Amino acid sequence: GAVVSQHPSRVICKSGTSVKIECRSLDFQATTMFWYRQFPKKSLMLMATSNEGSKATYEQGVEKDKFLINHASLTLSTLTVTSAHPEDSSFYICSANGLAGGSSYEQYFGPGTRLTVT
Amino acid sequence: DAKTTQPTSMDCAEGRAANLPCNHSTISGNEYVYWYRQIHSQGPQYIIHGLKNNETNEMASLIITEDRKSSTLILPHATLRDTAVYYCIVIRGNTPLVFGKGTRLSVIA
Repeated sequence: GAVVSQHPSRVICKSGTSVKIECRSLDFQATTMFWYRQFPKKSLMLMATSNEGSKATYEQGVEKDKFLINHASLTLSTLTVTSAHPEDSSFYICSANGLAGGSSYEQYFGPGTRLTVT
Repeated sequence: DAKTTQPTSMDCAEGRAANLPCNHSTISGNEYVYWYRQIHSQGPQYIIHGLKNNETNEMASLIITEDRKSSTLILPHATLRDTAVYYCIVIRGNTPLVFGKGTRLSVIA
């Protein structure tokens, strides 16, 4: 299947600093990418939908000024956690859609980025 | 998107078939059934998807009932590496996946 990478895989930062996470589709072009967050022992929660060349669509309760999403090309989306706080510590996962046939899609996930804010 | 119901957990002996059920009684005609799994501390992995016909690939088989109100994911010969949380998700088109609690499958030696 298609490959999606994330960088970094793990990051520790101090409270108040900003962290950027990159998500790349390596062998296909993704007009749409998604960002999820997962807390320990919980399921993935959709944060936002990122469309190439346009503003991201955020889910209810997700602060767009805190979680900045940029989708500047068909293979790269970035999530910047601004002024991070310990409660932002989580596992952040991106995914990208690829056409699978007919009107169905396969959503390919990155390996995730574990953010720890101290 | 239609809601799905899955058992919280299941055990399976190594080498045996693992049959994971999913109920999606409110599925609509243009919605697909997708299965993903997540091994601890990794991103979810796509397994298989289908609309109304049964599907098979190198990982698993997907059996969808004729009325499409339920489906079963079959891992024909479970191994210890298949231990994961399995998610059954019903969506249409290019919409984001919404993850429920899934089924925690434990493959036992």
